[in-house]
Amino acid sequence: EAAVTQSPRNKVAVTGGKVTLSCNQTNNHNNMYWYRQDTGHGLRLIHYSYGAGSTEKGDIPDGYKASRPSQENFSLILELATPSQTSVYFCASGGTGGAPAEQFFGPGTRLTVL
Amino acid sequence: GDKVKQSPSALSLQEGTNSALRCNFSIAATTVQWFLQNPRGSLINLFYLVPGTKENGRLKSTFNSKESYSTLHIRDAQLEDSGTYFCAAEAGDYQGGRALIFGTGTTVSVSP
Repeated sequence: EAAVTQSPRNKVAVTGGKVTLSCNQTNNHNNMYWYRQDTGHGLRLIHYSYGAGSTEKGDIPDGYKASRPSQENFSLILELATPSQTSVYFCASGGTGGAPAEQFFGPGTRLTVL
Repeated sequence: GDKVKQSPSALSLQEGTNSALRCNFSIAATTVQWFLQNPRGSLINLFYLVPGTKENGRLKSTFNSKESYSTLHIRDAQLEDSGTYFCAAEAGDYQGGRALIFGTGTTVSVSP
């Protein structure tokens, strides 16, 4: 069973502050993803990565940066947090290249920006 | 959202009854995943489908890529089946690489 962990699980931040959400996977998947979940929208893709050193923009990247320093770790960075970024953030991993593959999700991080 | 349309948006079931959830795709879906989001918010993998059908206990899912839809059947509904079900598709021409495109979910409530 794939294992994806996220930290922190809950975070309260102030407007204008910097927030870093971390994700770790132990399955040697090349592909990792960050999504956010808001009521009425399902999950939407923010950034993704094909492997260490790579980051790509998803559908809603504005206000977010991503970092993939290693195969196992993928971070989502909010340089200047805003209340509109209050959401639940999910990290996922899946696949080792260009072929389709099942994705596995972490437990989510609930972020509140005041 | 619009690329993956789930129906119905909400469903109330009596224990022991059967029902079906549906996803219609306006994208060229190549694979489909079904998830259950439990009350704690975790996404539980139910099915990963290339075109075809899979069954697991009381759940059965079909993905028809030619007609651009997928279904999830719940047989003999139990209280623990309550939660929000999401379908998500991977599309070969999506700019998000192999990322999933999610529907907006079906909230299922099973009562005694």
